[in-house]
Amino acid sequence: EPEVTQTPSHQVTQMGQEVILRCVPISNHLYFYWYRQILGQKVEFLVSFYNNEISEKSEIFDDQFSVERPDGSNFTLKIRSTKLEDSAMYFCASSAASGRAAGELFFGEGSRLTVL
Amino acid sequence: QKEVEQNSGPLSVPEGAIASLNCTYSDRGSQSFFWYRQYSGKSPELIMFIYSNGDKEDGRFTAQLNKASQYVSLLIRDSQPSDSATYLCAVTPRTALIFGKGTTLSVSS
Repeated sequence: EPEVTQTPSHQVTQMGQEVILRCVPISNHLYFYWYRQILGQKVEFLVSFYNNEISEKSEIFDDQFSVERPDGSNFTLKIRSTKLEDSAMYFCASSAASGRAAGELFFGEGSRLTVL
Repeated sequence: QKEVEQNSGPLSVPEGAIASLNCTYSDRGSQSFFWYRQYSGKSPELIMFIYSNGDKEDGRFTAQLNKASQYVSLLIRDSQPSDSATYLCAVTPRTALIFGKGTTLSVSS
């Protein structure tokens, strides 16, 4: 069964360092997303990406965040200068559909980011 | 105003009972409604979606939608201990999927 894969599964970094989280969406999916979940809190939308550009972003997705699809398979989230409050589980998701079915997402297992 | 609201629980039911999970949303323009399940330490997985008013059944799960009341619910019949998880209600007010905080369900054997 096709799946979304994420690397690394866990990353520990020092405050102020740059972090890149990587995702390989399901191969025939065209819509890509990043969400985050701070421990004990809700799953929060960060950004959606389609046709090599950002479709929608939340207030959380400020200038320290960026996304990129550097090749035909990878989708990355970069955090330029990490803060303590960036510590969370980051989920990548992909979807084959738009419109009403845009919420039928397939999630990866997540990358846990710990900022010290 | 929060976009998607759920009672965080925990909701405790005995094995074999019906579990009823509820959700309200704020954006009347929302067109699509989803229920995801999240086991502890795992990622969310889609279990149901509903687009039209009324009921939609899939096995032991029934989703109910009332757009006039801005209300979505999920019924789980014959609850099993393996159903113990957090159930996330989600809607698409614009293009992105927005989640509620989730309701934790505990099914005791």
